Amino acid sequence: DSGVTQTPKHLITATGQRVTLRCSPRSGDLSVYWYQQSLDQGLQFLIQYYNGEERAKGNILERFSAQQFPDLHSELNLSSLELGDSALYFCASSSRDQNEKLFFGSGTQLSVL
Amino acid sequence: SQQGEEDPQALSIQEGENATMNCSYKTSINNLQWYRQNSGRGLVHLILIRSNEREKHSGRLRVTLDTSKKSSSLLITASRAADTASYFCATDAIYNFNKFYFGSGTKLNVKP
Repeated sequence: DSGVTQTPKHLITATGQRVTLRCSPRSGDLSVYWYQQSLDQGLQFLIQYYNGEERAKGNILERFSAQQFPDLHSELNLSSLELGDSALYFCASSSRDQNEKLFFGSGTQLSVL
Repeated sequence: SQQGEEDPQALSIQEGENATMNCSYKTSINNLQWYRQNSGRGLVHLILIRSNEREKHSGRLRVTLDTSKKSSSLLITASRAADTASYFCATDAIYNFNKFYFGSGTKLNVKP
């Protein structure tokens, strides 16, 4: 168990809908990362937060947004969903802002029908 | 793209054999990490090697880093069926070390 909690584990929704994925980092970790993994693909970096502030942005679509709250949990919001958004979404946390190993949650499997 | 790329994409070996996976990347880095992913699960950190290190060991794992060739290798010795998983390298970028880029992974199958 990595100590990173992601909910829900599975999410099935329809095109055009909006969903929110939630992540609770390991106790004491200030940094949260979001990744998208499509079927049999590598992980695409979406965004990173550190202590409530956005630190780095990757290939995150404008339809997607994220935030990190004062209690350090993070949410990834996906709107106007398309079939191609179906993927495994991972959250990872680390204790520092940079150069640290990441602890991954078990992911949220999103299926857009 | 900064993204690392693993080679081969798939590797099938017998239990007890050694497995070698390679990773190449494009720009200068601060460090390189290797992760393992069992099917459909979260990634688990295996080892981190810094840009000023050339080799690192952890149990049955040996990682090398050649910054002149922008490549790394992961060697798993005396493999076991439980080592069956996908293996990913992750790199940061020397001027943008908040971003960790992952490759597409090597799928390792260890046959009992």
